[in-house]
Amino acid sequence: GAGVSQSPSNKVTEKGKDVELRCDPISGHTALYWYRQSLGQGLEFLIYFQGNSAPDKSGLPSDRFSAERTGGSVSTLTIQRTQQEDSAVYLCASSLVAVTYNEQFFGPGTRLTVL
Amino acid sequence: SQQGEEDPQALSIQEGENATMNCSYKTSINNLQWYRQNSGRGLVHLILIRSNEREKHSGRLRVTLDTSKKSSSLLITASRAADTASYFCATDGNYGGSQGNLIFGKGTKLSVKP
Repeated sequence: GAGVSQSPSNKVTEKGKDVELRCDPISGHTALYWYRQSLGQGLEFLIYFQGNSAPDKSGLPSDRFSAERTGGSVSTLTIQRTQQEDSAVYLCASSLVAVTYNEQFFGPGTRLTVL
Repeated sequence: SQQGEEDPQALSIQEGENATMNCSYKTSINNLQWYRQNSGRGLVHLILIRSNEREKHSGRLRVTLDTSKKSSSLLITASRAADTASYFCATDGNYGGSQGNLIFGKGTKLSVKP
């Protein structure tokens, strides 16, 4: 079956513009996670969804970041008024349910470059 | 904030040799996972070890967990050039297993030379 897909794979934008990143989880996975990875660094947790609810938004770096998930499937991460420090690879993952003993399946990521 | 710290940051070995990577963490955990990342893109799950387990094997992988020292190690035996990747440990930070959020370390970059 299909894995987690993300689009676009690469996004170059100008400082101050808004961007939307999309994640399609594996069919049947109720949990969806967003992470950010800066160059040469580990993964920084941003937000996760169980169904359409986001119980933990504590990882969002600022109020310029928001995410939503509709229909228990596709999720969109929106960054408003992008800054250069937002440049990173944004990774999405999904799992059957949001428990930590479930394996998370990752998408290929979206590489965001803010000029 | 980072929970796990991998050691070493980078490791270069010859094909056929064993590679050992270590991970230390700060808070109590329910389980610890190891992931591999190729070319700075998506991660692939390798193995999960629960807090009541001390050792686990999967093919050429061997993971140990010492909860008293808050550390884990990943051993890759008989390494291959295809094992070249970054390896990350991830913990649950003892959320009771209900949140699903994993806390990743900064990773060990492994290079296996043919």
